[in-house]
Amino acid sequence: QKEVEQNSGPLSVPEGAIASLNCTYSDRGSQSFFWYRQYSGKSPELIMFIYSNGDKEDGRFTAQLNKASQYVSLLIRDSQPSDSATYLCAVKRQGGSEKLVFGKGTKLTVNP
Amino acid sequence: NAGVTQTPKFRILKIGQSMTLQCTQDMNHNYMYWYRQDPGMGLKLIYYSVGAGITDKGEVPNGYNVSRSTTEDFPLRLELAAPSQTSVYFCASSYIGSNQPQHFGDGTRLSIL
Repeated sequence: QKEVEQNSGPLSVPEGAIASLNCTYSDRGSQSFFWYRQYSGKSPELIMFIYSNGDKEDGRFTAQLNKASQYVSLLIRDSQPSDSATYLCAVKRQGGSEKLVFGKGTKLTVNP
Repeated sequence: NAGVTQTPKFRILKIGQSMTLQCTQDMNHNYMYWYRQDPGMGLKLIYYSVGAGITDKGEVPNGYNVSRSTTEDFPLRLELAAPSQTSVYFCASSYIGSNQPQHFGDGTRLSIL
């Protein structure tokens, strides 16, 4: 099992719909979870991070974490064409190395 | 705010040549990282540094070297470039702390021909 797994997609949703992006991780000791958005040809930019079980909301974005199931998700409400990008899930392990392990990303397309 | 600055943005090298990718950050971050990203793939960690004078290998260090003489700068050296090193290289930095995110530079697109 890979350390951080994401469905590569592409995921296609109509404008205004909810996009749901999923990520599973193998290291049960992982403590922090990050979602980055990467537009084609650009660098990753931070969308949200979460470290406690439950939901965390920021505008149209909601991150959900379930440590028992080793599962983290990102919901995008009222999806816009400008949300079309690749979304990278990143996990920080327990311990002091501060290293992030990235998934391969899910490509999202929002259709007008 | 400059953040993380990488130079050059694009470069073409011939097989066997060497070059240094520059990275500097002005956020006084302790940690700095170098990643490579191949098409359709996630980010793979090459090297990282927890402070000036301290570096360590990541997942794919072979063929690369780094140094960290100052807090701000973290150059990545490619010796004897090979076609397998064709990739997009990202530098990132962060504060210490489990909840501190990494901030990325704009990347260097490198082709080895």
